[in-house]
Amino acid sequence: DGGITQSPKYLFRKEGQNVTLSCEQNLNHDAMYWYRQDPGQGLRLIYYSQIVNDFQKGDIAEGYSVSREKKESFPLTVTSAQKNPTAFYLCASKGTGSKPLEAFFGQGTRLTVV
Amino acid sequence: QKEVEQNSGPLSVPEGAIASLNCTYSDRVSQSFFWYRQYSGKSPELIMSIYSNGDKEDGRFTAQLNKASQYVSLLIRDSQPSDSATYLCAVNFRGSTLGRLYFGRGTQLTVWP
Repeated sequence: DGGITQSPKYLFRKEGQNVTLSCEQNLNHDAMYWYRQDPGQGLRLIYYSQIVNDFQKGDIAEGYSVSREKKESFPLTVTSAQKNPTAFYLCASKGTGSKPLEAFFGQGTRLTVV
Repeated sequence: QKEVEQNSGPLSVPEGAIASLNCTYSDRVSQSFFWYRQYSGKSPELIMSIYSNGDKEDGRFTAQLNKASQYVSLLIRDSQPSDSATYLCAVNFRGSTLGRLYFGRGTQLTVWP
């Protein structure tokens, strides 16, 4: 089945730790995105990428880093510089150009600082 | 400034009624529009996409787009308790870098039996 897989589903981080959230898709989509969602809030864009080895900062990139070494994979690292990382993190992918423009989401990773 | 606005609700309707969800956006020259449903604690699920003016129907869902007035709406006919969720409006503005979507904050819908 084609889809987007995020792991882990739940993640606990200690103060000062870096953690990496995984996102893999087999939809052959070019564009991939990371969003953060806080309770009662909309989706805020962290980083996005259209091609391998290229990515752009979104609206709230501080304290986060990403890589795009493969088309299928777009991992997000939450660094110790992110002061309030507790949130629901969502990865999405979509086609570009003449391909369908719908974006699809993974099941999300809920990150909690302990 | 690219903005997508939704009434946060909550919107409460009885079972069997029509639920009407509205969304306005800031840029007249916008390309594509999407409605997502998000159950509590889950990720958003795409339920409708619409690209041109008018209505688009899919089962109990109808999306309506009016580009001149810069609004898009979602009608849910014969609402069911299982429709209770937050509905997110998303817009792809023309010229947006890498085709990014802009999301509204969502409207919380409750359908009571």
